[in-house]
Amino acid sequence: QLQLQESGPGLVKPSETLSLTCTVSGGSISSSSYYWGWIRQPPGKGLEWIGSIYYSGGTYYNPSLKSRVTISVDTSKNQFSLKLNSVTAADTAVYYCASHLLRFLELCYFDHWGQGTLVTVSS
Amino acid sequence: DIQMTQSPSTLSASVGDRVTITCRASQSISSWLAWYQQKPGKAPKLLIYKASNLESGVPSRFSGSGSGTEFTLTISSLQPDDFATYYCQQYKSYPFTFGQGTKLEIK
Repeated sequence: QLQLQESGPGLVKPSETLSLTCTVSGGSISSSSYYWGWIRQPPGKGLEWIGSIYYSGGTYYNPSLKSRVTISVDTSKNQFSLKLNSVTAADTAVYYCASHLLRFLELCYFDHWGQGTLVTVSS
Repeated sequence: DIQMTQSPSTLSASVGDRVTITCRASQSISSWLAWYQQKPGKAPKLLIYKASNLESGVPSRFSGSGSGTEFTLTISSLQPDDFATYYCQQYKSYPFTFGQGTKLEIK
């Protein structure tokens, strides 16, 4: 059973870069069945897909965030990471990492999720 | 982007009730739809994929239907554990988008 765990600072200053890491256990990040995704949820609001990465480095990003987002993968550590630069208060959210099922070369749904980590953007 | 609209936003119901939540897509997504359940302070949990397929381990009182632009999630007999917020998500095209959520409350 896949397990995912987010880690990183809970407080980031405006205009700086938010950095989070997701550690995958119970399976290999090099699986051909998955991309690995980031989703966020502002307090009291809905879910927003940020982007997803394959173990080989291929990425898909939400166009609304693409100019500020970088997702990378480290297969040696079974981890993938999120960087979001030039953050503002609007980026305050719970950030989730999740396994993004790949079926017949098409990205599908998110079947395993981390517990989420709250990142607050404030000076 | 494909917009996903859920209704109602809030639903009050009692244990044992049959409830239905609707999700509408701004354009056809065939059956490329998932439903999630989220409890306060917890991550979403996958319930249904491809509109009507029950994820392993999910109770059979949950069911999904629909195709094209209109979908429903039905809980046949509400249990205390089912009071939560429910989200639909389309995976027909990028960017993947979610509905705004339906909060299921105890009447």
